[in-house]
Amino acid sequence: GAVVSQHPSRVICKSGTSVKIECRSLDFQATTMFWYRQFPKQSLMLMATSNEGSKATYEQGVEKDKFLINHASLTLSTLTVTSAHPEDSSFYICSAPLRGANVLTFGAGSRLTVL
Amino acid sequence: AQSVSQHNHHVILSEAASLELGCNYSYGGTVNLFWYVQYPGQHLQLLLKYFSGDPLVKGIKGFEAEFIKSKFSFNLRKPSVQWSDTAEYFCAVTPTSGTYKYIFGTGTRLKVLA
Repeated sequence: GAVVSQHPSRVICKSGTSVKIECRSLDFQATTMFWYRQFPKQSLMLMATSNEGSKATYEQGVEKDKFLINHASLTLSTLTVTSAHPEDSSFYICSAPLRGANVLTFGAGSRLTVL
Repeated sequence: AQSVSQHNHHVILSEAASLELGCNYSYGGTVNLFWYVQYPGQHLQLLLKYFSGDPLVKGIKGFEAEFIKSKFSFNLRKPSVQWSDTAEYFCAVTPTSGTYKYIFGTGTRLKVLA
């Protein structure tokens, strides 16, 4: 079935550095992908909608200069956390819609720890 | 504002017990409703969905959910849980207007004791 692959699954970085997380749709094309953030014991919060070939759409309160999203191809979206700080530590999950099924399929998530 | 409430944050059951997880949503229009499950260390997987028609929806692994429009609810049920059902369960809502912008509940962590 359709799979969304996310990499890396875990990353630890120092404060002030940037981290890139990749999200790939395997065996299907995704003109749109969604990036979520999940805090411990909280819900998944939509951060932004990644659009192939155009700018991402960010949700209210999400800093677009901090969370850079690039959707360079029909199968790849990347999220770069720039100048990461400890408060950016979280679980980031990407998803892509399955056309015709009206559902989202999710990646396994990436756990970011900023020291 | 649109929101989804899952009132049970943690549930512990013995094997063979019946399960019901609550989900209520707040949204002014018509919605699509979903239940997703996340097993330990794995990605979110779709359990079942409701778009229209019969409000009683059957999903995978013996799960079902009932959409009660008057109560804005979409509770998940399973008559007899198994140890392998230990996971976190998320209810989600999206407007029927063609958007994939899901609104998730906070999740319910289910632990089934063998």
